[in-house]
Amino acid sequence: AQKITQTQPGMFVQEKEAVTLDCTYDTSDPSYGLFWYKQPSSGEMIFLIYQGSYDQQNATEGRYSLNFQKARKSANLVISASQLGDSAMYFCAVPHSPSPGGTSYGKLTFGQGTILTVHP
Amino acid sequence: DVKVTQSSRYLVKRTGEKVFLECVQDMDHENMFWYRQDPGLGLRLIYFSYDVKMKEKGDIPEGYSVSREKKERFSLILESASTNQTSMYLCASSADRGTYEQYFGPGTRLTVT
Repeated sequence: AQKITQTQPGMFVQEKEAVTLDCTYDTSDPSYGLFWYKQPSSGEMIFLIYQGSYDQQNATEGRYSLNFQKARKSANLVISASQLGDSAMYFCAVPHSPSPGGTSYGKLTFGQGTILTVHP
Repeated sequence: DVKVTQSSRYLVKRTGEKVFLECVQDMDHENMFWYRQDPGLGLRLIYFSYDVKMKEKGDIPEGYSVSREKKERFSLILESASTNQTSMYLCASSADRGTYEQYFGPGTRLTVT
């Protein structure tokens, strides 16, 4: 079974600075990918960015980028030029590894989450 | 735009009551999921469904059941609510069994007193 760990319960950053949110994973599935979601105080989970394990270049999406280090089994989210609206909970997630002969049915396994607070 | 809606944002119920949480998606997605979210534990999968009338247990199904009579609607049922089921409940959907990107509803914060 895969395991996904976010070691930072909370992070603080000054507005306009960059911040890195950590995520480490342990999966036996060689074709995994990794997702990051944002959850503002309103509660709805918002998809931010995805990278497949075979992608050669780190994914970027506007101010969000993934720092994928396969040897260390980490896929950290980097937010550049932080804004007040970036204050939220952030979750990383990996596809669920099915049992032999089974189907994952699109299930994801989520980390514990990191609360990011952006200070003015 | 994919839209996932949940019947209530906030709900307060008494111990022992039967509770229904409804989720509707409008994108003809095959997969639907129910999670609960608790501080420090992230999102934990309760049940999911990959087709009408098809369901499978997730990681924490005890005390819950589900129903999927129509493709767009997935209901979570607490047969007899208990205080340890006070939590945030999130519904999600994804297109098909090979697609992992999930779209979430706004969540229901349930308090059982």
